[in-house]
This record gives sequence, structure tokens and C-alpha cells, in this order.
Amino acid sequence: DTGVSQNPRHKITKRGQNVTFRCDPISEHNRLYWYRQTLGQGPEFLTYFQNEAQLEKSRLLSDRFSAERPKGSFSTLEIQRTEQGDSAMYLCASSLELYTDTQYFGPGTRLTVL
Amino acid sequence: AQKITQTQPGMFVQEKEAVTLDCTYDTSDPSYGLFWYKQPSSGEMIFLIYQGSYDQQNATEGRYSLNFQKARKSANLVISASQLGDSAMYFCAMRDLRGSARQLTFGSGTQLTVLP
Repeated sequence: DTGVSQNPRHKITKRGQNVTFRCDPISEHNRLYWYRQTLGQGPEFLTYFQNEAQLEKSRLLSDRFSAERPKGSFSTLEIQRTEQGDSAMYLCASSLELYTDTQYFGPGTRLTVL
Repeated sequence: AQKITQTQPGMFVQEKEAVTLDCTYDTSDPSYGLFWYKQPSSGEMIFLIYQGSYDQQNATEGRYSLNFQKARKSANLVISASQLGDSAMYFCAMRDLRGSARQLTFGSGTQLTVLP
């Protein structure tokens, strides 16, 4: 039983560049979530998919951020024109539509914008 | 709106001792779930334990138990027989179970250090 995987694990980029992260959820999970975590804080919700439909987006998700889950399996999170304030850990989680809907997290992608 | 408060930025415990990590929450939803996650220095969030607002008994999962006091809106995590590998950041989180919102709301975390 493989868990949630994320690639890359680390990304260093220069301000103004575009970056894309990938998340592969647990295979039978139909829900997928993206969170952002800055140093010393708890994760903050960014967006949520049920199958391929993006059902919820946080106001944190500016127009420079876009997320997709084209076939209801893996998801990508793209940040355009990165800013230093985008430096954070980006966490992906997945869950199966059940009463508790427990979310299982991947190892995260740490983004550093220089 | 939901809010989670973890008032202990850091905690120390001696190996093999028990420790309680505090969590209080605020919500107007009658049906909600409370979760605890562990985040080691590697960064991955590991699910530990779940408590539903209508569950009659406190949740237990191995060495982890949840001291759920609904009237006080608290959901403290108790770790028994601490091990060195328990040293990590611990987050309390909650979400509404009936509404359409699926996201977790997290607290700011407690850094637990287990001393040999």
C-alpha cells in the first residue's frame, strides 16, 4: 500500500520563474487537497478536488496559482511568476469519501524562491 | 469559522513518561471531526488519531489517546510511554463533517522533545 507521493521534494528557483509540483495520491482515494505550510505554522488549505473537479479554492490561491487533476488521479500545482513570499512547504493530501474523510499527507515539496 | 488553539509552543518529556499536548477549538458546527497529526523533521504529516464530535468514547490508538471534553471544547492528545522517536511537531486539526467544506483547519503546533 503506497502512500501519497510528491515530486520534486525540493525546488529552488529564481524570482519570476514558473514552477510546477506533482502529487500522486493513494490509488483508491477520490479526494485530493493542497496545503501550504510556512515555517513555524500549521498547514493552510489551498484547494481541493473530488475526482477531477476542483470544488474549493482558498482566497490564498492567487491568480498566479493554478491546480489541475485532469484524470482524477495525479494533480499538479503550478505557480507562475514566483515571489519570495511563495517560499514554503507545499503539502498534498488525499482521502477516501467516507464519514471521517481522514486526510493522508505526502512528504511535501519545499520551495525556495531566491 | 473554525479555530484551533495550541498554547504550548514546546514541551519536554522524559523517555517512558506520559505527556499531554493541549488543543482547544472553536466552531459553531454541531458535527465536526478532530484530528491529530505528527510532523517529524522530515516534513511528512502523519495521521495519529481521530475523534468525532458525537463519539461517546474517547479515541485511543496504541500509545495515543484523546482526552475529549466537548463542553470545554478541548481535545488533548495523551502519549503514553514516550519514546525518543516521538520527538516531532504535533498538530491538532478539525473540520466540519456535514457541510461542503472539506479542508482541515490546523493549530500552530507543539514541538515535543523526548529526553533520554
